[in-house]
Parts: sequence; C-alpha cells; structure tokens
Amino acid sequence: DTEVTQTPKHLVMGMTNKKSLKCEQHMGHRAMYWYKQKAKKPPELMFVYSYEKLSINESVPSRFSPECPNSSLLNLHLHALQPEDSALYLCASSQDRGSSGANVLTFGAGSRLTVL
Amino acid sequence: AQKITQTQPGMFVQEKEAVTLDCTYDTSDQSYGLFWYKQPSSGEMIFLIYQGSYDEQNATEGRYSLNFQKARKSANLVISASQLGDSAMYFCAMRSPYGQNFVFGPGTRLSVLP
Repeated sequence: DTEVTQTPKHLVMGMTNKKSLKCEQHMGHRAMYWYKQKAKKPPELMFVYSYEKLSINESVPSRFSPECPNSSLLNLHLHALQPEDSALYLCASSQDRGSSGANVLTFGAGSRLTVL
Repeated sequence: AQKITQTQPGMFVQEKEAVTLDCTYDTSDQSYGLFWYKQPSSGEMIFLIYQGSYDEQNATEGRYSLNFQKARKSANLVISASQLGDSAMYFCAMRSPYGQNFVFGPGTRLSVLP
C-alpha cells in the first residue's frame, strides 16, 4: 500500500462545479507537493508546501486553490475548471528540501480528473 | 537551469534479458541527487533508485542499478532479468540541494515481451 493516500481516485466534474482533491501522509514529511500530469508527459509541478506554508506556486491559475490544514494533509480545491484541466493529479511528500536520498519524493496513486 | 534528457521514447526488451534506459542531465550545481521512478499504467509514481553526485559507488537496489558517469553527466538505469511487470514508463529526475522541485525527464516507455 502507498504511504501517500489520495482521494478520490477518479473525479468527473462540470465546468461550474466546485470539488476538492485530498491527500494524506503519515510519514512525518514536512514538504508536500501537487503535480499535474497529462498523458505521455512527465509530471509538472503546481504547488509546494514546506512546513505547512506555501513555498512554491508555479503560476497556476486561480481556479486551482491549494490548502494545507496541517502537516499531514494537503487539499486542492477546484472551481470553474476547463476541459484542458483534465489530467492525473499527483500528490507527493518528502522529508524536506535537499538533494540527498533522504528526500525522495513519495507519490500517491493519483486522482484522475475529467472536466466536461 | 537544470535539464534531464531521455532520448529513448520507447524500448522493447525480451523477458529475462537486461535493459539499459538512458538519462543525461545538465546542471551547474556541484551537489545534486539523481532519481529514477517507474510509472505503471495505474498512474502511481514508484521510486526505484537514488544516486548522489558525490557517491563514488554506483547505486544498486535489487534488480536495478544505476550506471553513473559524472564526467559525461549520465545516469543510466540498468534493469537486470526483466519481468513482464517491468513494463511501464520510467522517468529520470534530478534535484538540487536547496531546490524543492524535481526536474523530470520526458520518460521512456519500456515494454517487456514474453
């Protein structure tokens, strides 16, 4: 079983809906990430939270709103999305910054989003 | 800026054979980490192996080994004794000491033939 849990696994929503993706980890990691992945492409970074503070926003449209209620939880609130936002959304966590092997990114299984 | 190149969009290998997936990188940092991830069709990114830029020995993890040639800036993944379950996308990635982002390569799709 993956140590990063994402819900829901699949989400279909209309362009006027409001929904949320959730991510939870209990590894004591202090950095959490949202990635977007289109088919046959590598993951693209969206947001990074470090010690529960937003540290990176890769110029993501405001229709995506991240939230980190505590060190174990990460949400991605979705509102007024476009069909081109359909993708696999991956949550990940790492112990901290740094390039050492201790800071491996651990990914969840992803939430596959379809916007109609 | 950091960049990862994976020149093989797709690879085929016969079951039980070894296969090498290529990865070259570009960075001006002296200290960095190199990672390989496997992504099956289910979507989850699975960490396989890590190599630090100052590690003198090539990393090994079970059937996975990393052929690290620092002067050539390459970090090729070697999978020995391929299994049908190895069929997946494989991404090479790099991280700098103080960066919070991983730079991913475009990936290589490996297909293991019975």
